[in-house]
Amino acid sequence: GAVVSQHPSWVICKSGTSVKIECRSLDFQATTMFWYRQFPKQSLMLMATSNEGSKATYEQGVEKDKFLINHASLTLSTLTVTSAHPEDSSFYICSAKDPGQGAHYNSPLHFGNGTRLTVT
Amino acid sequence: GESVGLHLPTLSVQEGDNSIINCAYSNSASDYFIWYKQESGKGPQFIIDIRSNMDKRQGQRVTVLLNKTVKHLSLQIAATQPGDSAVYFCAEKYGGGFKTIFGAGTRLFVKA
Repeated sequence: GAVVSQHPSWVICKSGTSVKIECRSLDFQATTMFWYRQFPKQSLMLMATSNEGSKATYEQGVEKDKFLINHASLTLSTLTVTSAHPEDSSFYICSAKDPGQGAHYNSPLHFGNGTRLTVT
Repeated sequence: GESVGLHLPTLSVQEGDNSIINCAYSNSASDYFIWYKQESGKGPQFIIDIRSNMDKRQGQRVTVLLNKTVKHLSLQIAATQPGDSAVYFCAEKYGGGFKTIFGAGTRLFVKA
C-alpha cells in the first residue's frame, strides 16, 4: 500500500514554456503532499507543502509564482514550473504521508519516483 | 528551501562486510529521524526510523543508532549486498510539523 505515482517520469521543454508535473496517491487519500527538488549529486531540498483545498506553503527562497502548486483533490497534487529556464532543470520528487499512521507525527513519507525536467 | 549538504561522500565496502553510514543532523529540537535509500533515477525509499526517546532500533539487516548529545545518527547494514548500492539519506523532523528535512546523503558502493 501507500503508493505515490508521478507523471511524467521525464520531460524536456524549451526555455520560456511551462511544465506541469502530477503527483497521485494511488491507494490512499493524502491531505498533505510535499514537493522536493534534487540537483545532481545533491540532497533533496524541500520546496513546498501542498495542502488539499488550501494554498501551498512554500519554503524560504522558493518563488510561489514560479512554482505553482494545486492540490484540488485528496489524491492529486500538481506542480507547474512556469516560464521554465535551464536553471530549473532538476529532479522533482513528490511525497505523501503514510495514511496508515493516521495523523501521527512520527511516520515516514512515501515518495514518488520523481520527474526529470530538462529545459533547453 | 531547507537542505543540508552539497556533494555526496562515498563509502565503498566489500560484499558481505558490514556498512556504517553516518549522519550529523542539524537541529537539536529534532525528535524523529528516518533513513531513506535512493537508487539512481528513483525516489527515496523508507528503510528505518527512530524517535528521539530511543537510542537504537533494529530492523531486518539494518540498525539505526541515535546520539542526541552530539546530534549524530548512524545506519548499520549487516552483510552488505550488491543490491544495497545506492545513496542513503538521513532525514529529520522537528517542531511538530510534518516537514521532513534531508541530510547530505552518502553513496554506498558494494564491491562483489
